[in-house]
Amino acid sequence: DADVTQTPRNRITKTGKRIMLECSQTKGHDRMYWYRQDPGLGLRLIYYSFDVKDINKGEISDGYSVSRQAQAKFSLSLESAIPNQTALYFCATSDLEGGPWNEQFFGPGTRLTVL
Amino acid sequence: AQKITQTQPGMFVQEKEAVTLDCTYDTSDQSYGLFWYKQPSSGEMIFLIYQGSYDEQNATEGRYSLNFQKARKSANLVISASQLGDSAMYFCAMRGPSGAGSYQLTFGKGTKLSVIP
Repeated sequence: DADVTQTPRNRITKTGKRIMLECSQTKGHDRMYWYRQDPGLGLRLIYYSFDVKDINKGEISDGYSVSRQAQAKFSLSLESAIPNQTALYFCATSDLEGGPWNEQFFGPGTRLTVL
Repeated sequence: AQKITQTQPGMFVQEKEAVTLDCTYDTSDQSYGLFWYKQPSSGEMIFLIYQGSYDEQNATEGRYSLNFQKARKSANLVISASQLGDSAMYFCAMRGPSGAGSYQLTFGKGTKLSVIP
């Protein structure tokens, strides 16, 4: 079984709809992240969480919100989806032990299309 | 602020040959980490190799090595003996205190590598 899972893997929705992307991990990591990938732009950080009570905005948080329901679960919401939020979304985790240089483990990605 | 530059949008390499993917970075941090990730057409992000700014030796992981030149702020990925399965997008990334969200990964735009049989 995959260590970091994302649901759904693909989603097509309409402008104005509320969408939730879910991420679960079995690695026991404290830190979780949401990234967005657009063609030609690499990955950009949306939100990150160091533990259940510590949630922080990343580079491009406008239009998004998150919820850390438990150590293992981190959800990303688009309250009112718009077409320029069409992208590939990744969840990632990293361990607190060993400091900030630990690699991040990525989920398989969710491909979101907003019509 | 941190910035990663990958100047090669696409690269071709003959199977079994070596290839170097370029990465330059800009940061005011003294301590930072450099990472390379591979993204196949299936979309997942696969960690390849890591180099710390204070590491004196270049990192190696199997067929992957990182040519780290601190003074030039470059962290090029070298893939030896290319295989067809190496065809993918490759991303250079860094983490440091001044990164977006502090210590979070800043990514370059990627290089698409195509291995020719």
